[in-house]
Amino acid sequence: GESVGLHLPTLSVQEGDNSIINCAYSNSASDYFIWYKQESGKGPQFIIDIRSNMDKRQGQRVTVLLNKTVKHLSLQIAATQPGDSAVYFCAENTGTASKLTFGTGTRLQVTL
Amino acid sequence: KAGVTQTPRYLIKTRGQQVTLSCSPISGHRSVSWYQQTPGQGLQFLFEYFSETQRNKGNFPGRFSGRQFSNSRSEMNVSTLELGDSALYLCASSLYRVGGETQYFGPGTRLLVL
Repeated sequence: GESVGLHLPTLSVQEGDNSIINCAYSNSASDYFIWYKQESGKGPQFIIDIRSNMDKRQGQRVTVLLNKTVKHLSLQIAATQPGDSAVYFCAENTGTASKLTFGTGTRLQVTL
Repeated sequence: KAGVTQTPRYLIKTRGQQVTLSCSPISGHRSVSWYQQTPGQGLQFLFEYFSETQRNKGNFPGRFSGRQFSNSRSEMNVSTLELGDSALYLCASSLYRVGGETQYFGPGTRLLVL
């Protein structure tokens, strides 16, 4: 299940630090956004979602921020752990269609 | 609750052959979507089925098709395989709700076309 792109941006953080992964989405009409985590050999795993009527949502150790003005989404991971190492994707959904459009992904590497 | 399951997990085919992949959604989920993942193009939407009907379709040629059964299980078929069809094919299921719904993914079927 690797999404190994030749040019995947990589974020390297030390264990215990906070991570911020950014995503620029394409459609100003998108109204639902999801962050997924994909580990090697697995399918994307749901992390957190947010609807366009919100600008912040928190989960366990994760926070998603939505800035509709600049079409920007970010995922913050607190106290990053080695198990957080994976590729992270943002995805957007527009209107009534159940059709996700994915970003290119960011590889998060957690160093000890 | 069991997650989304996909079979087979790995497949090797040659050019010109056809292939059928299977997906069983999470129990109670009625919508099944298919995605193709490649290093070059990333994750791309193929199509979505709900109540045995294709509701949405991505920009893929007609060689890619699918169907959904009354128990919500879905299959996708690729005919006349090309080298470029080598990819990880992911199935995702969700409860039906208009306006966006969390999609849960299976582990994928890795297809290699030689």
